[in-house]
Amino acid sequence: GDSVTQMEGPVTLSEEAFLTINCTYTATGYPSLFWYVQYPGEGLQLLLKATKADDKGSNKGFEATYRKETTSFHLEKGSVQVSDSAVYFCALYSGGSNYKLTFGKGTLLTVNP
Amino acid sequence: GAGVSQSPSNKVTEKGKDVELRCDPISGHTALYWYRQSLGQGLEFLIYFQGNSAPDKSGLPSDRFSAERTGGSVSTLTIQRTQQEDSAVYLCASSSNSGPSEQYFGPGTRLTVT
Repeated sequence: GDSVTQMEGPVTLSEEAFLTINCTYTATGYPSLFWYVQYPGEGLQLLLKATKADDKGSNKGFEATYRKETTSFHLEKGSVQVSDSAVYFCALYSGGSNYKLTFGKGTLLTVNP
Repeated sequence: GAGVSQSPSNKVTEKGKDVELRCDPISGHTALYWYRQSLGQGLEFLIYFQGNSAPDKSGLPSDRFSAERTGGSVSTLTIQRTQQEDSAVYLCASSSNSGPSEQYFGPGTRLTVT
C-alpha cells in the first residue's frame, strides 16, 4: 500500500538558517505529492504540491521537487523565520475517485530568534 | 466565507462512554473526510463522504466507530464504548471534489479518554 516516510523531529533552527525536511514515499503508479503545514492552534493548510516527476512546487519561500528516481519530495527553505515554526506533513495521492490522502507522521519545526 | 469548523475543540471522556464529534464543512462542498492523528502517528484516513453516502469506510478502526452525514452538510463521527487508544485529534476536511489538493481542514477535536 501507499506510505510516506518523513524525517523525525523535532527540528530546531535559528532564524535565517537553511531548512531541509526529508520525505520519501511508496506508491503505485504516479502519485501527486503535497506538503501541508499546521501552525499552532490552526488546521492543516496546503503549502505546496507537485503532480508529476520533476515538477517543483513552491510557496512562501518553500520549495520541493518531485524526484521519481529517488521517490522523494524533500521540503527546503533558504532562510527560515520564527513564523515558520509549525508541524509539516508530507502527503501523497495515488489515484482513485475518493481523493484520499496518505500522510507522513509530521515534523515539528521550531525556529528561534 | 467560513472555513471548516469542528466541535467540540476538546473532549475528555471516561473509558466506556460514547462520544459524538461534529464537523461543519464549507458550504457547497460535496466531499467530506475524517482523519485521525494519534500521538507519534501521521494522519490516518477514517472515512470519506460524497454527499450523504460513504463510498469508502475502509479506515474506520473498528465497529465502535461510525459516521453519518445529513443534508449533504454536517457530519457526525460517533465512537461507542471509548477506549484509551481512541485518544487522538480527529480532523475533518471538505472539498468541492475538484481535486485532492483542495481539501480544507478544520482545527480538529482533541479527544482524551481517561
